Amino acid sequence: AQKITQTQPGMFVQEKEAVTLDCTYDTSDQSYGLFWYKQPSSGEMIFLIYQGSYDEQNATEGRYSLNFQKARKSANLVISASQLGDSAMYFCAMRAYQKVTFGTGTKLQVIP
Amino acid sequence: DAGVIQSPRHEVTEMGQEVTLRCKPISGHDYLFWYRQTMMRGLELLIYFNNNVPIDDSGMPEDRFSAKMPNASFSTLKIQPSEPRDSAVYFCASRKGTSRGEQFFGPGTRLTVL
Repeated sequence: AQKITQTQPGMFVQEKEAVTLDCTYDTSDQSYGLFWYKQPSSGEMIFLIYQGSYDEQNATEGRYSLNFQKARKSANLVISASQLGDSAMYFCAMRAYQKVTFGTGTKLQVIP
Repeated sequence: DAGVIQSPRHEVTEMGQEVTLRCKPISGHDYLFWYRQTMMRGLELLIYFNNNVPIDDSGMPEDRFSAKMPNASFSTLKIQPSEPRDSAVYFCASRKGTSRGEQFFGPGTRLTVL
């Protein structure tokens, strides 16, 4: 069985600062993918970044980077230079085969 | 390219009524997923299709829920009869089988059952 754990229900960050959102996972599969999605208050789910279990380098997409520590089974999202528009719910997810399991989310609020 | 399209965006109905939610996946995507999001249970996978064939419906809560995908560009999720506990946001998502696995979500349908 797959499990995603996001232990931070809510986070605050000052505008222009960096923030790390935590995600740990559990799976017995050797091949899997890890994702982060953003859900603003408008409700849509926006794909941010992907990390494959065999990728040796951490994924980066603009201001987003994924700190992948395979031995620790963690896949933390780092947002650099936070902007007011980054205020949203953030979901960590894992895919093994075709099934995707989502975490409970972290609500990020960026303070001006 | 158009993203995943869902209709209606909002649905308010009374307990006992039939509800049908619709989804048009992104053209060329061969996987389609139906999710339900609630405050209590988070985002749950209900069912997914590959090439129009249902692969895993283990997340469908009960027999009142059914889903179909008659062709590559259309899917429905039906609830009959609806109950107040079905109130949630229902998302449809699609992905290309040859991709890394990221799913692209529709805007969701907010269902309220009174």
